[in-house]
Amino acid sequence: KAGVTQTPRYLIKTRGQQVTLSCSPISGHRSVSWYQQTPGQGLQFLFEYFSETQRNKGNFPGRFSGRQFSNSRSEMNVSTLELGDSALYLCASSFLGQGPDTQYFGPGTRLTVL
Amino acid sequence: AQSVSQHNHHVILSEAASLELGCNYSYGGTVNLFWYVQYPGQHLQLLLKYFSGDPLVKGIKGFEAEFIKSKFSFNLRKPSVQWSDTAEYFCAVSNTGFQKLVFGTGTRLLVSP
Repeated sequence: KAGVTQTPRYLIKTRGQQVTLSCSPISGHRSVSWYQQTPGQGLQFLFEYFSETQRNKGNFPGRFSGRQFSNSRSEMNVSTLELGDSALYLCASSFLGQGPDTQYFGPGTRLTVL
Repeated sequence: AQSVSQHNHHVILSEAASLELGCNYSYGGTVNLFWYVQYPGQHLQLLLKYFSGDPLVKGIKGFEAEFIKSKFSFNLRKPSVQWSDTAEYFCAVSNTGFQKLVFGTGTRLLVSP
């Protein structure tokens, strides 16, 4: 099975712009979660989607949003970019999305905000 | 608040040395415990996990971890490290039924040949 894929792998934006990142989960996985990884804050949970519904949300401002499509693919959007949004954004998918479950991570999208 | 602590931020070992990385968590309810590894230039990979049952779990590449409920700990061990184990190691916890993983700050392991 192919792993979690994320596009694009690298992105450079300027402050004030918006950006959309894409994630394709492992085939058959229905839950997709997003994380932000920075040197200062480490790995932080953004949100999780299951069956096109956001089930859980981390402590991030409303500029961070996401959605999931019927084929389980997911996108996250960051509007009005700030310098502090520069980070590696990781997508993870899991099979059931309930009970004890394991998340498998993609390679990430490295976003640089200038 | 839920939190995960990894007390060793940087560890340097020689090949064949034994490894133990500490992980403590503060979490209510039933927990699921994970160790992930991030090799240089690669994505996060699952090393091992604990959901229930035998508190001593074995993972890939000779790693194992022990869940000690009374100490809220899930320490990672390997009897003899190799140069290829150079990586960053993350402990993570979730509550059963929720996909949100709370990660520790990570431990950078450097194994010198």
